[in-house]
Formats: sequence, C-alpha cells, structure tokens
Amino acid sequence: QKEVEQNSGPLSVPEGAIASLNCTYSDRGSQSFFWYRQYSGKSPELIMSIYSNGDKEDGRFTAQLNKASQYVSLLIRDSQPSDSATYLCAVNRNFGNEKLTFGTGTRLTIIP
Amino acid sequence: SAVISQKPSRDICQRGTSLTIQCQVDSQVTMMFWYRQQPGQSLTLIATANQGSEATYESGFVIDKFPISRPNLTFSTLTVSNMSPEDSSIYLCSVVQGPGSTEAFFGQGTRLTVV
Repeated sequence: QKEVEQNSGPLSVPEGAIASLNCTYSDRGSQSFFWYRQYSGKSPELIMSIYSNGDKEDGRFTAQLNKASQYVSLLIRDSQPSDSATYLCAVNRNFGNEKLTFGTGTRLTIIP
Repeated sequence: SAVISQKPSRDICQRGTSLTIQCQVDSQVTMMFWYRQQPGQSLTLIATANQGSEATYESGFVIDKFPISRPNLTFSTLTVSNMSPEDSSIYLCSVVQGPGSTEAFFGQGTRLTVV
C-alpha cells in the first residue's frame, strides 16, 4: 500500500463546476496535510494546509480532513481554466520534522 | 513566504560528470530539503540539509551520490555525482521558514538531463 494515494486522473471538469480531488494516507499518526498545485514545467505551489478534522476554506478552495478515515480532499468551486494543473497531496508525519510524503498527483483539466 | 532562488534552472550534462545545484533563500529558514521529481512522477525526498552538519538521507539515497552542504541558514547545495541517464530529473529545493511553521515552499527547480 502506498503511503499517500491519489487518483492519477486525468479528471475533466466543466468550467464553473466543482472539482473534487481525493487523497488517502496510510500512517494514522500523520499530523499535517497539504495540497500543492503544479503547472506543467513549474515547481509545486502550496495552496492549502489543514491540520484538524473538518473543513478549511480559502477563497474558491476548501480542504476537508477526516483523520478517522485517513482521508483528505480538496474542492475547487467555480472551476476556471487556470485551475488546470496537477494537484499533489502531501502528508507530514511529525511536527518538528517537516519532511513531506507526496502522492502521485491528480491531473485536473477544466473544460471551457 | 521566503523567496527561493535555485540555479541552474536547467542543464544538460555528460554521463560520468557531476553537477552542483545551488539554493539561496532571502531570509533565514529553519529547514531545507532536497527533492527529486522524475519524469511524469511525484516528488521524492532525497535528504534534509542540516546547517553545519551532515545531511540526513532518505532510504535509497547516499551521500557519495548526492553530497549536500548547508553552511548557513540561507544557502544549500546538492551535487549529483557520477551522473547516469537515470539521474535525469527535476531537482527541487524546499524550505520551511521558521519555528512553529509546517508549510514548505519550493524553489523553481533544476531540470537535469544526462546524455
């Protein structure tokens, strides 16, 4: 079992719709969870971090965490063509040791 | 967030040679890391660059192949030694800014092609 799993996609979503990206992780002791956006040929850009169960909203982005189910998701509302990218889920096992384990990423395409 | 400058941005190297990648941050940071992203794949942590001491390597990565220096809190280098085509990847510097911070930010990466 991979430590961090994501559906590799591609995921196609019409412009204006909600894009839903999912991630599961195997280490129940994981503490911090992150979503990065990576455009082709570019480095990862941090878009959301979440540490506690529940939802965290930032503009059009909402991260959801369920530690009991070892599940973290990212919702993108009112999807725009500029949201087309690969989204990487990353997990940090321990506070104070900020090493990240990444999923394989989900490629998202927003269709105009 | 800190401004992270990584260079070179890309290079094409002959097999058997070595390349040193530099990572410069515009402010002191507590932690610096080096990741590798092989073509079409996700990021894998190579090592944690420790200031003033030997880097901490992840399983599968060794100091002889990937020597790392971190002489101060704003600068680190990664050398890819005795390169082979399998080393063709994007190498990324990552930093965590300060005590109590958990968010990691990335440099623009170095795209290495070994021929």
